[in-house]
Amino acid sequence: QQPVQSPQAVILREGEDAVINCSSSKALYSVHWYRQKHGEAPVFLMILLKGGEQKGHEKISASFNEKKQQSSLYLTASQLSYSGTYFCGTEEGGSQGNLIFGKGTKLSVKP
Amino acid sequence: DTAVSQTPKYLVTQMGNDKSIKCEQNLGHDTMYWYKQDSKKFLKIMFSYNNKELIINETVPNRFSPKSPDKAHLNLHINSLELGDSAVYFCASSASGRVGELFFGEGSRLTVL
Repeated sequence: QQPVQSPQAVILREGEDAVINCSSSKALYSVHWYRQKHGEAPVFLMILLKGGEQKGHEKISASFNEKKQQSSLYLTASQLSYSGTYFCGTEEGGSQGNLIFGKGTKLSVKP
Repeated sequence: DTAVSQTPKYLVTQMGNDKSIKCEQNLGHDTMYWYKQDSKKFLKIMFSYNNKELIINETVPNRFSPKSPDKAHLNLHINSLELGDSAVYFCASSASGRVGELFFGEGSRLTVL
């Protein structure tokens, strides 16, 4: 079951904040976040395994509400280098080794 | 050293042909994957191999066949190519167990004419 990401696209000015949401209709074991720049491979940002646990990456952090089957990615004080497409990937509770990605959120940071 | 390497990076071919994409990882990981990314950037899992055994086989046409000669390699063979097969194919690997960090290769862009 593919997770749903929102918004589909975001345009920011440098220094602004953004939130990207990811939700699933299934019980989740974990949520993963990846960033893909144009013409490149996706790059791992973080994994969230426990409900409410936040793990940070530079100025990018995330939360995982296990009960609501939702995760949010927080980008604070955005930099030009944050531009790219962000994918959440979900691993369902009953399955093993099956990471399903959402359709992605395109983030553009302007000077 | 490149952790996950794919060859070729670009492949242009005619409909009906058969082609292969090779993938090698030097991370010592037990699980390797193939993902397809279409023109809308949707990343869809196709296969995964764990210790040379197929553990995921999504609903892909049987024209696609993964072949793993050893745990460091997972090649993708495609028979009778169709226009809709045009996409970027990513190989990835992760350590064993539940899905951990995926290390992606640079991708192989397949164009079917």
